[in-house]
Amino acid sequence: DAGVIQSPRHEVTEMGQEVTLRCKPISGHDYLFWYRQTMMRGLELLIYFNNNVPIDDSGMPEDRFSAKMPNASFSTLKIQPSEPRDSAVYFCASGSTTSTDTQYFGPGTRLTVL
Amino acid sequence: GQNIDQPTEMTATEGAIVQINCTYQTSGFNGLFWYQQHAGEAPTFLSYNVLDGLEEKGRFSSFLSRSKGYSYLLLKELQMKDSASYLCAVFFAGNNRKLIWGLGTSLAVNP
Repeated sequence: DAGVIQSPRHEVTEMGQEVTLRCKPISGHDYLFWYRQTMMRGLELLIYFNNNVPIDDSGMPEDRFSAKMPNASFSTLKIQPSEPRDSAVYFCASGSTTSTDTQYFGPGTRLTVL
Repeated sequence: GQNIDQPTEMTATEGAIVQINCTYQTSGFNGLFWYQQHAGEAPTFLSYNVLDGLEEKGRFSSFLSRSKGYSYLLLKELQMKDSASYLCAVFFAGNNRKLIWGLGTSLAVNP
């Protein structure tokens, strides 16, 4: 199995630009999670999906953030417009109740907003 | 609240044993996870405790005490490659399934 795949691995953009992060979960997993990690705040859950349906988006910081999961093998996290304080590592993770709820993380996208 | 507390940093010597503690102020959770995260990499699963007691897996063991509100990760025969951040997370199942994460403990293993 290829594991969770994320792209791009690194993104450098200017303030005000739109950023789209992509994730392909592990095949067969029915949960997908988007996290943001910073030194100050650690891992923060932004949103998660179950069977492609958003269940809890209370962690999405502002309306500038949106996430979609059009099918079981693809999800996007979009920031529009981006701001310097959005600079962080964004992780996608997938999981399944049949795997004791363990979450498997992708390699992350390191976002820098100038 | 659901605070998860871990020491920020720890240092140990190669070949030694180290215990990383995690205390939490929450209840009604399903289990507690430990993850390892090397610098610049993603967190990877180490252990999951549902019941009180010690779970041993090779050089790593994890302990949970619900009544005392704490867990620990025990690393034996430390190796240089064990230098990493160790994250504790409390898991809630049900309709709103989520992990509540600690900030992690950065472990440095010295020769």
